[in-house]
Amino acid sequence: EAQVTQNPRYLITVTGKKLTVTCSQNMNHEYMSWYRQDPGLGLRQIYYSMNVEVTDKGDVPEGYKVSRKEKRNFPLILESPSPNQTSLYFCASSLYGSLGAYEQYFGPGTRLTVT
Amino acid sequence: TQLLEQSPQFLSIQEGENLTVYCNSSSVFSSLQWYRQEPGEGPVLLVTVVTGGEVKKLKRLTFQFGDARKDSSLHITAAQPGDTGLYLCAGALKTSYDKVIFGPGTSLSVIP
Repeated sequence: EAQVTQNPRYLITVTGKKLTVTCSQNMNHEYMSWYRQDPGLGLRQIYYSMNVEVTDKGDVPEGYKVSRKEKRNFPLILESPSPNQTSLYFCASSLYGSLGAYEQYFGPGTRLTVT
Repeated sequence: TQLLEQSPQFLSIQEGENLTVYCNSSSVFSSLQWYRQEPGEGPVLLVTVVTGGEVKKLKRLTFQFGDARKDSSLHITAAQPGDTGLYLCAGALKTSYDKVIFGPGTSLSVIP
């Protein structure tokens, strides 16, 4: 089954404790992206990757890191989480980076709470 | 700055009623997509519109892209409880790649 998987689905952590949210897709998509979703703000892009070893900042990259060492995986790293990073996070993939033409497939989301 | 606005923010209707939700911007988009998101899940693409004035139908859902490619509407005929969810519009801006901006969404509740 074609899908985007994220782990963990739920995470409660404390300020400053490094964490990684994994994302994997099995569709051989070149483009992958991370979003955060907050009430009233919609989905805001954190980082994206056009292909292996190619990553770039989205609209809200501060406090996050990413890497793309393999085509299928795109982990999101929070080196020192803060309460303002409490949010619902989505990983998405698309065949290519021309997002207006190609469908983005989203993972099920990771709900992160930083206390 | 919110480049894409959606209205209404919340909508609660009875089964069988018709409704329209709107997506507006001052920016011109090369294309616009509508997604539906159900609780606990990620958004799922419903449609992509590309040409100004384009109308697409998906069963009881009708999507229209404005002539100037700055706005879009989604009309649902005879709403059913299964239509309940968050409807998101996403516009693709022409930059170094097609950057997609999401609106804040319209939360629809269809009451049986």
